[in-house]
Amino acid sequence: DAGVTQSPTHLIKTRGQQVTLRCSPKSGHDTVSWYQQALGQGPQFIFQYYEEEERQRGNFPDRFSGHQFPNYSSELNVNALLLGDSALYLCASSQTQGAGANVLTFGAGSRLTVL
Amino acid sequence: AQSVTQLGSHVSVSEGALVLLRCNYSSSVPPYLFWYVQYPNQGLQLLLKYTTGATLVKGINGFEAEFKKSETSFHLTKPSAHMSDAAEYFCAVSDLADKLIFGTGTRLQVFP
Repeated sequence: DAGVTQSPTHLIKTRGQQVTLRCSPKSGHDTVSWYQQALGQGPQFIFQYYEEEERQRGNFPDRFSGHQFPNYSSELNVNALLLGDSALYLCASSQTQGAGANVLTFGAGSRLTVL
Repeated sequence: AQSVTQLGSHVSVSEGALVLLRCNYSSSVPPYLFWYVQYPNQGLQLLLKYTTGATLVKGINGFEAEFKKSETSFHLTKPSAHMSDAAEYFCAVSDLADKLIFGTGTRLQVFP
């Protein structure tokens, strides 16, 4: 079981650019959530996707957008990058039904540096 | 609104000593509570969770936590620390069990 896989693992962008991060959920999982973890902080919820729809959203601006594909994989897009967007972006997957319902499995993250 | 407070951003213990990491929560509904561990350059790994039922929850690697509603606490303990326990630990609360509100974390150092 490959678990949750994220790509790329590291990337560097400059202010104003756009970035796309990708996530493949754990096998059997149908829900994907994204979190932002700034240095020295706990992860903060960005949004969650289920059945290709955004189901919940945290307190993040519209510059942050996402997508879920029919195979349950997901993308996180950030436009007009700011220095403050530098962080570790974590993808987590879960299943809505069954014994493991609603228990999140996290990927190793994509570390974004904005210069 | 829900929130989590982790008391102590850094905790240091000797190998073999008791580990106690403190977590207090605020929730207007019965909470689901979680402890996650994060090793350097890795994602988060679930240690244990409380949803309903028994208030003493046992997790992986010898960790356990007790849900105390009257104290709004969910402290994490391990009787005997091991060098491999050195990591960042996060307490989290959720009312839907899949949208988590995390604390700021506690870095555990274990000295030989």
